[in-house]
Amino acid sequence: DQQVKQNSPSLSVQEGRISILNCDYTNSMFDYFLWYKKYPAEGPTFLISISSIKDKNEDGRFTVFLNKSAKHLSLHIVPSQPGDSAVYFCAASGANEKLTFGTGTRLTIIP
Amino acid sequence: EPEVTQTPSHQVTQMGQEVILRCVPISNHLYFYWYRQILGQKVEFLVSFYNNEISEKSEIFDDQFSVERPDGSNFTLKIRSTKLEDSAMYFCASRGTSGGIGELFFGEGSRLTVL
Repeated sequence: DQQVKQNSPSLSVQEGRISILNCDYTNSMFDYFLWYKKYPAEGPTFLISISSIKDKNEDGRFTVFLNKSAKHLSLHIVPSQPGDSAVYFCAASGANEKLTFGTGTRLTIIP
Repeated sequence: EPEVTQTPSHQVTQMGQEVILRCVPISNHLYFYWYRQILGQKVEFLVSFYNNEISEKSEIFDDQFSVERPDGSNFTLKIRSTKLEDSAMYFCASRGTSGGIGELFFGEGSRLTVL
């Protein structure tokens, strides 16, 4: 089941620069997309979401972009901070309560 | 800040034994979920629960699994007869009515090891 894919298992970014995390999906029934952040030994924490009727949603340093025609979304973090080092999961949902997660991207911010 | 709490944090059990994982969701939340993550794999949906009944379940959630909300605060996941492949981190989550459909609050997880 590869309905949500994060092709980069890891990413390293210099502190202060922009972090860009990518996610692709295959199921055209998905209409709501989310990013979660996870630290070791903790549960995922909701970060930001976007509905399929929008192409951009911004919350402070975090912006999510959605390209429906390409079935692609991305999370931009700017400026990146050391506390942003974590695993980031992309997730998607359709008409039901079920979230389908990607495999995650480990982001490391280099001071 | 309100949080979802889970117990135990780690349980080791023998194959074939019953296991109950417990969760206390955020008090005014109405939607409850269990997800799991097998080591090295993605987080997978197991079940959602609303208004005292299962609203959605995945193919993983077979007859060996059950959920219950025995009182106003606890939400439990029972695995009747554990298998080796049930070894995973199990996450409970809850959602209120103000957030979007996927904006869940997750607990820290219960690690289940089946020997």
